[in-house]
Amino acid sequence: QVQLVESGGGVVQPGRSLRLSCTASGFIFSSYGMHWVRQAPGKGLEWVATISHDGGNKYYAESVKGPFTISRDNSKNTLHLQMNSLRVEDTAVYYCAKDQGYCSNGVCYLVYNMDVWGQGTTVTVS
Amino acid sequence: QSALTQPASVSGSPGQSITISCTGTSSDLGSSNLVSWYQQHSGKAPKLIIFDVSKRPSGVSDRFSGSKSGNTASLTVSGLQAEDEADYYCCSYAGSKTLLFGGGTKLTVL
Repeated sequence: QVQLVESGGGVVQPGRSLRLSCTASGFIFSSYGMHWVRQAPGKGLEWVATISHDGGNKYYAESVKGPFTISRDNSKNTLHLQMNSLRVEDTAVYYCAKDQGYCSNGVCYLVYNMDVWGQGTTVTVS
Repeated sequence: QSALTQPASVSGSPGQSITISCTGTSSDLGSSNLVSWYQQHSGKAPKLIIFDVSKRPSGVSDRFSGSKSGNTASLTVSGLQAEDEADYYCCSYAGSKTLLFGGGTKLTVL
């Protein structure tokens, strides 16, 4: 079945770095854009970043632009989020999510709907 | 950009209908049909229940419906059931390849 599994979360000191991973299965990973969304403790969802199916286009929320980098390895069906210069306010559960997008005539499109989510990985900056 | 505005909480009795509003601006929600809604049960990952303002993914109950007028989108849950108790989030494309979520609404089934 379609599944996303995040890993790499943990406790880290302010200013340090962490790299999250998301391993996909059950669908053609290279045909879909992917997203990272986070949720601070007791708070709502916050969009973090989006990457196109081929990794050629990357988009970020203003709050993470610069320190965070989204990337993907289609040969390993894996999505990454490199988080540098972490701050206390980056503490959250981080979810990866598959874009609902589609491919037509060899071109794959983002539609900005997240139809499959992972279970999340917790990042604590303290 | 500020989060889209949702009521903090709504409640209803089993069998009743409730509506959750989601208000943005003409720069985000008002100018986009890429409006989606997510349901999140406590301690679980979010689940897509409405996309493109009013479409339902396969497997989502037709008791869930969405609409939009101007800068406000709405999610209606009809025939409330105990299992509908959850947090609900709206999300809109906000231009320049960015997304904006609402602050979330806690639905309580009395």
